[in-house]
Amino acid sequence: DGGITQSPKYLFRKEGQNVTLSCEQNLNHDAMYWYRQDPGQGLRLIYYSQIVNDFQKGDIAEGYSVSREKKESFPLTVTSAQKNPTAFYLCASSDNGETQYFGPGTRLLVL
Amino acid sequence: GNSVTQMEGPVTLSEEAFLTINCTYTATGYPSLFWYVQYPGEGLQLLLKATKADDKGSNKGFEATYRKETTSFHLEKGSVQVSDSAVYFCALIWSGSARQLTFGSGTQLTVLP
Repeated sequence: DGGITQSPKYLFRKEGQNVTLSCEQNLNHDAMYWYRQDPGQGLRLIYYSQIVNDFQKGDIAEGYSVSREKKESFPLTVTSAQKNPTAFYLCASSDNGETQYFGPGTRLLVL
Repeated sequence: GNSVTQMEGPVTLSEEAFLTINCTYTATGYPSLFWYVQYPGEGLQLLLKATKADDKGSNKGFEATYRKETTSFHLEKGSVQVSDSAVYFCALIWSGSARQLTFGSGTQLTVLP
């Protein structure tokens, strides 16, 4: 059953804490993306990776970090530098064509 | 830069009504255009797409035509169902943008029985 999985579904962060969101895909896609969605708004690109061991900043990369050590995995770390992390985070992948396929999302809440 | 403008919601319709959600874009060159749908608490699903002028994308009774002359990609459905209640996003990819999607702000659709 191919697709994109994100975990956890809900994540709570304490002030000053770093947290990591998981994104895994078994679609054999080269490109992966992280988006942030705030209520009533569209999606904004945080980071993207077009190939293993390479990634680029998107429009709102400050306070976030990523790694791409394996083709299947693209974890996102929300660092303590991100002062307003509460949002819905969506991961997507693409075979470097035009269509991106999205995971179910992780909702991050600040305690 | 590239941008997508969608009609503001929320939109509330009765079952079997006709749906139009307007979408216009600004882009350099010839982007590909998409409609994504997001059901409550879920990720986005691709609804339909069109890759060149005058192409019509269609899926599940929804249609949208790529109009280069008006830079538009309006979403239509002839008869909506309660199960169509969701948020709809218009988006574009431009060939020069490393395949980055640019999204509109989304339109919330509620269909009442």
